Amino acid sequence: DVQLVESGGGQTQAGGSLRLSCAVSGFALRNHAMHWVRRAPGKGLEWVSSISGSGSNSYYADSVKGRFTISRDNFNNTLFLQMNSLRAADTAVYLCARDPHYWPGGSSSIDYWGQGTLVTVSS
Amino acid sequence: QSALTQEASVSGTVGQRVTLSCSGNINNIGKFTVAWYKATSHGAPKTVMFGNSLPSGIPDRFSASKSETTASLTISGLQPEDEADYFCSSWDYDLIGVVFGGGTKLTVL
Repeated sequence: DVQLVESGGGQTQAGGSLRLSCAVSGFALRNHAMHWVRRAPGKGLEWVSSISGSGSNSYYADSVKGRFTISRDNFNNTLFLQMNSLRAADTAVYLCARDPHYWPGGSSSIDYWGQGTLVTVSS
Repeated sequence: QSALTQEASVSGTVGQRVTLSCSGNINNIGKFTVAWYKATSHGAPKTVMFGNSLPSGIPDRFSASKSETTASLTISGLQPEDEADYFCSSWDYDLIGVVFGGGTKLTVL
């Protein structure tokens, strides 16, 4: 069974940093683009970042560009999101998600989701 | 403000057919695949459609279509367990990233 399990969330103050991890199982991570998506309390889904299967290409929402970095360790089947200079507006549940394709892009979608990890940033 | 526009709320009775819409532009829905996701207040979101593909475990009561810059998700034979928030998404050529709709709250009466 495909499983995605996020960890690393928690509470921090504005300006702080957190590193999220997403451990995957049930498939070969190297064959899939991956995404981070967040959902703030009472709000909708917001795309954060995407990365290609090899990790050679990454993409970011304008709201996090320059502050967040997506990366992956295909050998250890783990996806990461390094979050720096955190703001109160970054408070959300962060969800790891699998793309059925190798490259993010025109055919991008999500076929499997993790349960998410809560990040709370106090101002 | 979301790049894709969805109705804020839709309701239907058990057994009814409902259609949710997702409106974008030529640089997202007009060019690329649209996917639909079901989300509740707890638990992981669930993909109910990507492109024209129905993921395993999703009943064939769910169907999707697209015309130019508008996509639709139709649920036939509405069931109580269909009550949730539904989000659409697509890749965006200008933003070079994924865009989501604001979500539609589906209520089953």
